[in-house]
Amino acid sequence: SQQGEEDPQALSIQEGENATMNCSYKTSINNLQWYRQNSGRGLVHLILIRSNEREKHSGRLRVTLDTSKKSSSLLITASRAADTASYFCATDKAFGSYIPTFGRGTSLIVHP
Amino acid sequence: EAQVTQNPRYLITVTGKKLTVTCSQNMNHEYMSWYRQDPGLGLRQIYYSMNVEVTDKGDVPEGYKVSRKEKRNFPLILESPSPNQTSLYFCASSPGQGGGGYGYTFGSGTRLTVV
Repeated sequence: SQQGEEDPQALSIQEGENATMNCSYKTSINNLQWYRQNSGRGLVHLILIRSNEREKHSGRLRVTLDTSKKSSSLLITASRAADTASYFCATDKAFGSYIPTFGRGTSLIVHP
Repeated sequence: EAQVTQNPRYLITVTGKKLTVTCSQNMNHEYMSWYRQDPGLGLRQIYYSMNVEVTDKGDVPEGYKVSRKEKRNFPLILESPSPNQTSLYFCASSPGQGGGGYGYTFGSGTRLTVV
């Protein structure tokens, strides 16, 4: 079953614009992670935010976490054509299985 | 270089012919996992292993087997592949449960076609 669900499914923007994608999840979590996947390649870990954190930055990435709404957002500022990829959130549940479950991803296209 | 290595990258096989996809990590990670990725379905976990000789089913284990005899290796075995197992497969590893606070490292993927 899907724990994390990304929104929107697809996003198309111009280079230089900001890209925001969201992730909603269902159960309490220990942490939430964002990954990038270039077409047909393996996923690359971008950033991890713990359940007691509200915001985290890494370069042009900004992640927020709202545990009361069970949601997270990933903001990519000043996007580049090289940011074109699919983005996935993954959650580690607080109870039961410690295994990350992934959403279906947001497909981001950045036009030069 | 720290990495997860999967082999082969591409594989075409016939229904019923047993095959093994290998996965090896050089980071001394305790946790390893296999996922399959299908269009519209995202990544679904097949099996995972918390340590040597400790494996458990994920969301879609039917038709697959795994073993963890050594910490670095976690092969995926398809005893009798069927066309519905045509997919893109990923192996991933992590220092420990919950991503060990560091996230998961993924292999480059194995694209399997069963005809």
